[in-house]
Amino acid sequence: GAVVSQHPSWVICKSGTSVKIECRSLDFQATTMFWYRQFPKQSLMLMATSNEGSKATYEQGVEKDKFLINHASLTLSTLTVTSAHPEDSSFYICSASRQGLTQETQYFGPGTRLLVL
Amino acid sequence: SQQGEEDPQALSIQEGENATMNCSYKTSINNLQWYRQNSGRGLVHLILIRSNEREKHSGRLRVTLDTSKKSSSLLITASRAADTASYFCATPGTSGSRLTFGEGTQLTVNP
Repeated sequence: GAVVSQHPSWVICKSGTSVKIECRSLDFQATTMFWYRQFPKQSLMLMATSNEGSKATYEQGVEKDKFLINHASLTLSTLTVTSAHPEDSSFYICSASRQGLTQETQYFGPGTRLLVL
Repeated sequence: SQQGEEDPQALSIQEGENATMNCSYKTSINNLQWYRQNSGRGLVHLILIRSNEREKHSGRLRVTLDTSKKSSSLLITASRAADTASYFCATPGTSGSRLTFGEGTQLTVNP
């Protein structure tokens, strides 16, 4: 159990367009989901923490209006990159903590590679 | 500065050898976790060690934690080519679930 999926797995878009990435917990309910960004050969940087039914908490330096996060249910969180630019090209990874259990362990999705032309 | 700094940044060994990666952190922690990431993929949780534990084993993995030195090590014994990946340590924040990742160690196991 504890499978997290992401869709799409990769996306190429033109500069100025918006891209939506979905993160789903397939076999458990996730009270909290996290969104990370990872540049090549670098570590994961937390962008925001998403709790079901409430506004996301963004890390310092992450633009709320550019990276819209919606956590509409206990199994789905979405990240929308608005007006994407080439510098937004990156690997975006979500993770989820299980409801009702210790939140020490996070379960990660396979990631979404975004390329903005 | 970043919580969870790791060394070495890159490690290349032969199959069958042991691989040791180290992680240092700066603040007090309740636990420390190790994750593996295959190239271009998501992260896989390997092992969690609590602050009151000094050593933990899981299969070919051995993790140590020294809270006095604020450091941890991950040992992979009898390495295999399939162990080739990046390995990250991660520590939770004060809120509990928010993780901060180290810079990672890129391990290459040559067949």
